[in-house]
Amino acid sequence: KNQVEQSPQSLIILEGKNCTLQCNYTVSPFSNLRWYKQDTGRGPVSLTIMTFSENTKSNGRYTATLDADTKQSSLHITASQLSDSASYICVVTPSGGSYIPTFGRGTSLIVHP
Amino acid sequence: EPEVTQTPSHQVTQMGQEVILRCVPISNHLYFYWYRQILGQKVEFLVSFYNNEISEKSEIFDDQFSVERPDGSNFTLKIRSTKLEDSAMYFCASNGQGYNEQFFGPGTRLTVL
Repeated sequence: KNQVEQSPQSLIILEGKNCTLQCNYTVSPFSNLRWYKQDTGRGPVSLTIMTFSENTKSNGRYTATLDADTKQSSLHITASQLSDSASYICVVTPSGGSYIPTFGRGTSLIVHP
Repeated sequence: EPEVTQTPSHQVTQMGQEVILRCVPISNHLYFYWYRQILGQKVEFLVSFYNNEISEKSEIFDDQFSVERPDGSNFTLKIRSTKLEDSAMYFCASNGQGYNEQFFGPGTRLTVL
């Protein structure tokens, strides 16, 4: 069964600090991996999309990395802001017949002033 | 900036009643999706829709669920006979082509009493 595990479950950091969120997956064969930001009570917003051949993708202060061999991805947030407080969700889409994505449970990030 | 819209924002219904959740995807998008998120849990894929037919559906999307694109702009999710466990946030999403960014709507919170 395809699984996406994220860690940590929650994280509290001070404004201005950096942080890294982890995503491990078992989805295979693999098509793409996406990171989303979800504010409470809102729909997810796409941050990055990486195919199996990409190692890194940046979007402003967000940088995602992918190691398809070890089936791991990370999302690094630089110089955190209060508005970064949200849930960050890793989503992996398979290939080879089914394209039903598997969502992780998310990492809840709280940025304190 | 174009966005996916959903109505209503909150729907309360009695168990056994039919509900229709409505979505207006971004106008030039071709792929449409419904997801649900039970409170405190991860987002789950329900169905994808392309070229006026269902592309894929998950195990959750049983005979009680149906989708329709009744005109050139709306995309609806119907639950024929709601159960208590259908209570969740339902998100509509759309994208243009392939691996392009998926845009999520703000969601409809469905409460079944």
